[in-house]
Amino acid sequence: NAGVTQTPKFRILKIGQSMTLQCTQDMNHNYMYWYRQDPGMGLKLIYYSVGAGITDKGEVPNGYNVSRSTTEDFPLRLELAAPSQTSVYFCASSSHMSTQYFGPGTRLTVL
Amino acid sequence: DQQVKQNSPSLSVQEGRISILNCDYTNSMFDYFLWYKKYPAEGPTFLISISSIKDKNEDGRFTVFLNKSAKHLSLHIVPSQPGDSAVYFCAASDNTDKLIFGTGTRLQVFP
Repeated sequence: NAGVTQTPKFRILKIGQSMTLQCTQDMNHNYMYWYRQDPGMGLKLIYYSVGAGITDKGEVPNGYNVSRSTTEDFPLRLELAAPSQTSVYFCASSSHMSTQYFGPGTRLTVL
Repeated sequence: DQQVKQNSPSLSVQEGRISILNCDYTNSMFDYFLWYKKYPAEGPTFLISISSIKDKNEDGRFTVFLNKSAKHLSLHIVPSQPGDSAVYFCAASDNTDKLIFGTGTRLQVFP
């Protein structure tokens, strides 16, 4: 079982560039999440989804967009990258009111 | 406003001894608490959880204690092993599918 997969593992962006972080899960979970982790900090929720076609903002949504067209995929879009978006991004999935399973993360640097 | 606090950024324990990791929370609506373990360059993995109707939950070497009146929980690892060296995150939920994470405690178990 692959669980939650994320691509790419690493990426360096220039200020103003855009990119999409990919997340796929094969556990048929309805709930999916995007977090960011800054050094010395906990995980902050960016966006989450309770099912295909339904998304909502978390604690730190500014500068990001998401879509959920299928149960399996939950991409995170950065439209105009800024240095403040340098972070490690984690995708997670879960069933309703159940344990969240995390992907391995994407390390993003914006220069 | 940090609703979940882990005030010790790091902890060093000798192999075979007990490790105690602490977590405090401020939101009285939190009713479910989890501990996640994270190794470098990997995503967090679920370790153990506890519902607010309990004050203790045990799983092998890991025990979580909850003191609702003090809004405090702790994770005990007995006996500690070198493979337990990781960052441990406390997380809480208020009967939703969203988690609020603490900032983490880095545990080092030395021989």
